[in-house]
Amino acid sequence: GAGVSQSPSNKVTEKGKDVELRCDPISGHTALYWYRQSLGQGLEFLIYFQGNSAPDKSGLPSDRFSAERTGGSVSTLTIQRTQQEDSAVYLCASSRAPRSLPGELFFGEGSRLTVL
Amino acid sequence: GENVEQHPSTLSVQEGDSAVIKCTYSDSASNYFPWYKQELGKGPQLIIDIRSNVGEKKDQRIAVTLNKTAKHFSLHITETQPEDSAVYFCAASYGQNFVFGPGTRLSVLP
Repeated sequence: GAGVSQSPSNKVTEKGKDVELRCDPISGHTALYWYRQSLGQGLEFLIYFQGNSAPDKSGLPSDRFSAERTGGSVSTLTIQRTQQEDSAVYLCASSRAPRSLPGELFFGEGSRLTVL
Repeated sequence: GENVEQHPSTLSVQEGDSAVIKCTYSDSASNYFPWYKQELGKGPQLIIDIRSNVGEKKDQRIAVTLNKTAKHFSLHITETQPEDSAVYFCAASYGQNFVFGPGTRLSVLP
């Protein structure tokens, strides 16, 4: 399809395990965002990639969280040594908007992470 | 940094009535204000947006107004329908990023 694709859609893991969440943005979109949405809550910014520029990591809650974006396309969010408070829906969004002019974000359906 | 507040947190209206959701922001440098609708189990989807050089924008039953002086913007939905039931988020641009409000759960009662 032509939308943002995220995988897995659901992930259940045990406390202390590492998890990887994947995002395939819309082809040609240079900007990619990761947000976290806890149950019934708003969207918490995690990290932002724009083209080949250094990512904005200011929203990452701890050094257990990291993200990469390879070849300006696919992105992987990694959470090491997961904790129960990491349980949430992780949303990825992409945008064609240039750095100088913010515009529409296209969201994926999210990856629901449950840490037991 | 930017802070976005949103009210009410929940809103119930009768089908056919109007719904209004209000947001305030703190950073006067913000210049783009989108509204997103999130249905259960799905990602948010843009329904309307407004830039700071415009005071109002309308798209069929949906309108957004912006008061830059007061730093607030509002979403107006007229002639509400059951399919309008969802969670609505406002957002304000913050540099290259966005800060989202906490959301409003709208229920349209038949």
